[in-house]
Amino acid sequence: QKEVEQNSGPLSVPEGAIASLNCTYSDRGSQSFFWYRQYSGKSPELIMFIYSNGDKEDGRFTAQLNKASQYVSLLIRDSQPSDSATYLCAVKGVGGGNKLTFGTGTQLKVEL
Amino acid sequence: GAGVSQSPSNKVTEKGKDVELRCDPISGHTALYWYRQSLGQGLEFLIYFQGNSAPDKSGLPSDRFSAERTGGSVSTLTIQRTQQEDSAVYLCASSFISGGNTGELFFGEGSRLTVL
Repeated sequence: QKEVEQNSGPLSVPEGAIASLNCTYSDRGSQSFFWYRQYSGKSPELIMFIYSNGDKEDGRFTAQLNKASQYVSLLIRDSQPSDSATYLCAVKGVGGGNKLTFGTGTQLKVEL
Repeated sequence: GAGVSQSPSNKVTEKGKDVELRCDPISGHTALYWYRQSLGQGLEFLIYFQGNSAPDKSGLPSDRFSAERTGGSVSTLTIQRTQQEDSAVYLCASSFISGGNTGELFFGEGSRLTVL
């Protein structure tokens, strides 16, 4: 079992719809959870982080964490074509320490 | 500098040669990470430096890979006797870790390595 798992996609949504991106992780001791966005040919950039159970909202983005189910998700409301990118889930604390372990990413395509 | 700086941005080498990749982190950042990303793949953790602590080398794929961080700042990733499977983008990231902060990683633009 991979430490951090994501569906590779592509996930296609129409413009204006809600995009839902999911991530599961294997280590119950994991402490913090991050969503990074990576445009093609570019480096990842942080979208959101979350470390408490529940929802965290920032503009059109909402991160959801359920530690009991070892599940974290990212919702993007009113999706725009500029949101088309690969979204990487990252987990801190897998195996202890501050190492950040990334999933393989989900490719999101927002269609006009 | 304003961001994480990596050099070279592109490196083409022949199989069997050694290569060095350099990372200059954001000033004041205490942690430095190296990741590798192959085409269409996620980020593969290689090594992590935090302050004066012993580095976490658990992600280095073989003993051909090594890294050092001098003076708690600049880091060099060395790949000896390169193989074609080493071809990838090598990403460096730095963060400021202290109690309570998120330790957000700031990435450089990467060094694209092609082994012929």
